[in-house]
Amino acid sequence: DQQVKQNSPSLSVQEGRISILNCDYTNSMFDYFLWYKKYPAEGPTFLISISSIKDKNEDGRFTVFLNKSAKHLSLHIVPSQPGDSAVYFCAASGDSGAGSYQLTFGKGTKLSVIP
Amino acid sequence: KAGVTQTPRYLIKTRGQQVTLSCSPISGHRSVSWYQQTPGQGLQFLFEYFSETQRNKGNFPGRFSGRQFSNSRSEMNVSTLELGDSALYLCASSNSITGELFFGEGSRLTVL
Repeated sequence: DQQVKQNSPSLSVQEGRISILNCDYTNSMFDYFLWYKKYPAEGPTFLISISSIKDKNEDGRFTVFLNKSAKHLSLHIVPSQPGDSAVYFCAASGDSGAGSYQLTFGKGTKLSVIP
Repeated sequence: KAGVTQTPRYLIKTRGQQVTLSCSPISGHRSVSWYQQTPGQGLQFLFEYFSETQRNKGNFPGRFSGRQFSNSRSEMNVSTLELGDSALYLCASSNSITGELFFGEGSRLTVL
């Protein structure tokens, strides 16, 4: 049972436009959400996060929105740049016992920003 | 500050062999986690170590094991390799209560 779902395997956006990446989760115990970006042959790098007590977090061109009632979060990138082309992973964490730092990841969305 | 270092970066093994992967976390980070990434499966949690103790384990068979040393460095071992074990194995370290992970570049294992 997939607890974190990214239903769009890929997304293409024109440079300068907005990129919206979506993520749904099923486990109501999740209380912290993160987005990671991954280039080929590199490990994922942390992008932005949001706690369940907030509904929006902004960092430069990146904004994450959280809708707890819908168990949905989205990552907005404005304006999109060719260097943003990568695979984006949504991840969630919650109380998995003994203070463990386990993250549950979605399968990722490959974003292509077209110049 | 040096990042998470994983060795080796690439390796090729044959079915039935065993493999050991190594991870050095960011200095001061006491938690080390391991994830497996395969095409179309995202990142799947293997296990997490904290202060030399396995604190959490994902749904992988017993062929997958790990350990952490007193200097927080970690190793993971896969015995009796199967073709389906071909994947990118990622190590991540953390020192954050909220669980923000810092990943290494991964070890890409190919099983022939």
